Amino acid sequence: DGGITQSPKYLFRKEGQNVTLSCEQNLNHDAMYWYRQDPGQGLRLIYYSQIVNDFQKGDIAEGYSVSREKKESFPLTVTSAQKNPTAFYLCASRHLGQVSTGELFFGEGSRLTVL
Amino acid sequence: KNEVEQSPQNLTAQEGEFITINCSYSVGISALHWLQQHPGGGIVSLFMLSSGKKKHGRLIATINIQEKHSSLHITASHPRDSAVYICAVKSTGNQFYFGTGTSLTVIP
Repeated sequence: DGGITQSPKYLFRKEGQNVTLSCEQNLNHDAMYWYRQDPGQGLRLIYYSQIVNDFQKGDIAEGYSVSREKKESFPLTVTSAQKNPTAFYLCASRHLGQVSTGELFFGEGSRLTVL
Repeated sequence: KNEVEQSPQNLTAQEGEFITINCSYSVGISALHWLQQHPGGGIVSLFMLSSGKKKHGRLIATINIQEKHSSLHITASHPRDSAVYICAVKSTGNQFYFGTGTSLTVIP
């Protein structure tokens, strides 16, 4: 079945460690997004990519890094520079272009807890 | 100020009740989405609409572009409808803005 797969679902990290969250999609979508969700707040955009080997910062990119070496994959690294990394992270993707409905598809999310 | 405002924040209903969740937005949009987030965290898209009304089973979504307002209605609510419902808009600048969500609990 087509969809977006995020892993791991739960992750614990010690302060000072980098962690990488995986996001893979088999929908042949052009654009991929990483959002952060905190209680009482709407989803906030961390990074997005519309094409392989290119990505742009979102509203809260500091302390995060991404890569887009393949169309299907858009991993997110939470670095030790991120001051408050404990959150729920959601990956999303969609088609681009005039024929696209623009509908966003989401993964199941990854919950990161810093100990 | 949030570009997307939802109300209510929390809603508890008895099984069978008719439920309405409201969404107002302040930006020009090309589409509005209603999303459902279950306790496990994954999000599914319920509706994407840019005008009028859409219906899927017991769910109905309406949008009034002039008033910048949308509503999500659930008829004959059921405990399995318990979830967080999120309104999101795609602006004419191709940015997505999300509401903070409405947490719905349907009691048997």
